[in-house]
Amino acid sequence: GAVVSQHPSWVICKSGTSVKIECRSLDFQATTMFWYRQFPKQSLMLMATSNEGSKATYEQGVEKDKFLINHASLTLSTLTVTSAHPEDSSFYICSASSQNNEQFFGPGTRLTVL
Amino acid sequence: DAKTTQPTSMDCAEGRAANLPCNHSTISGNEYVYWYRQIHSQGPQYIIHGLKNNETNEMASLIITEDRKSSTLILPHATLRDTAVYYCIVAAGGTSYGKLTFGQGTILTVHP
Repeated sequence: GAVVSQHPSWVICKSGTSVKIECRSLDFQATTMFWYRQFPKQSLMLMATSNEGSKATYEQGVEKDKFLINHASLTLSTLTVTSAHPEDSSFYICSASSQNNEQFFGPGTRLTVL
Repeated sequence: DAKTTQPTSMDCAEGRAANLPCNHSTISGNEYVYWYRQIHSQGPQYIIHGLKNNETNEMASLIITEDRKSSTLILPHATLRDTAVYYCIVAAGGTSYGKLTFGQGTILTVHP
């Protein structure tokens, strides 16, 4: 299947700082990218959907001003967690798809906020 | 999207077939059945999907009942590396158009 990468794979930051996570589709052009969050022993929860060149659509309960999503090209989307707090510590996973194709997931980024 | 029901956990002996059931009794006519799996601390991996007909690929087989209200994922010769959480998801029109709603999945443990 198609390859999706994420960077960094893990990050530790201080409370109040911002963290940027990158998601790249390596061998295909992703018209749509999705961002998920997974807390320990829980399932994945969709945070937002982004289409290249347009604003992201956020799921209910996800603060768009706190979780900034940029999808500036067909191979790159970024998620910035602004003013991170310990409760934002989680496993963040992106997925990407092209038209008429399945979603392929990245390896995830583990965020720990101290 | 339709809701799915899966057993919480299953065991399988290495080398034997693993048959993972999924109920999706409220599935709509345009909804596909997708299977993903997630190995600990990794992103989900696509396995297979189908609409009406049974499907097979290099990883698994998908058997969908005629009324489409349930399906079974078959791993023909399970290995220890198949130990993971398996998610059965129904999604309309293909996943490129819609979001995937993950349930709790089935924890499959393959033992020697």
